[in-house]
Amino acid sequence: DSGVTQTPKHLITATGQRVTLRCSPRSGDLSVYWYQQSLDQGLQFLIQYYNGEERAKGNILERFSAQQFPDLHSELNLSSLELGDSALYFCASSERVGGYEQYFGPGTRLTVT
Amino acid sequence: AQKITQTQPGMFVQEKEAVTLDCTYDTSDQSYGLFWYKQPSSGEMIFLIYQGSYDEQNATEGRYSLNFQKARKSANLVISASQLGDSAMYFCAMREGRRETSGSRLTFGEGTQLTVNP
Repeated sequence: DSGVTQTPKHLITATGQRVTLRCSPRSGDLSVYWYQQSLDQGLQFLIQYYNGEERAKGNILERFSAQQFPDLHSELNLSSLELGDSALYFCASSERVGGYEQYFGPGTRLTVT
Repeated sequence: AQKITQTQPGMFVQEKEAVTLDCTYDTSDQSYGLFWYKQPSSGEMIFLIYQGSYDEQNATEGRYSLNFQKARKSANLVISASQLGDSAMYFCAMREGRRETSGSRLTFGEGTQLTVNP
């Protein structure tokens, strides 16, 4: 158990819908990262937050957004969902902005039908 | 250009033998970090080992060791005394730039599926 929690574990929804994925980092970790794992694209970095502020952006679509709250949990919002958004979404956390080790949560498997 | 290359889509090893999973990387940064993660069929990503670009010694963690050859830009994972539970997908990843600065994203390779045979 990495100490990073993600909910829900599975999510099935229809095209055009909006969903919110939630992540709680390890106790004491200030940095949260979101990654997407799909068959087409492999594991891709989406976005990073450090202590509530956005720190880095990767291949995140405009339909996607994220935030980190004062209690350090983070949410990834996916809207206008398309079939191609079906993937495993991971949250990872690390202690500081540079993150020596990134510990991953169990992931949320999103299926868009 | 691929930043992380794992050329072995699949590898097979007999139980109790050692196996090496290959990883080459491409970066112009002087400071970077290299990671290996294990992803079993259940899907979670398990951190195995880390090597910093300035670390002089090869990293070791139990049965895992990282064969770091900086000039060749390779960071191969060696698993000694393979166990059936080692069967999983293994990902090599890189963090570019100094870890104290912002934007510490990991770039992943495509992975190697390791199967340990009894």
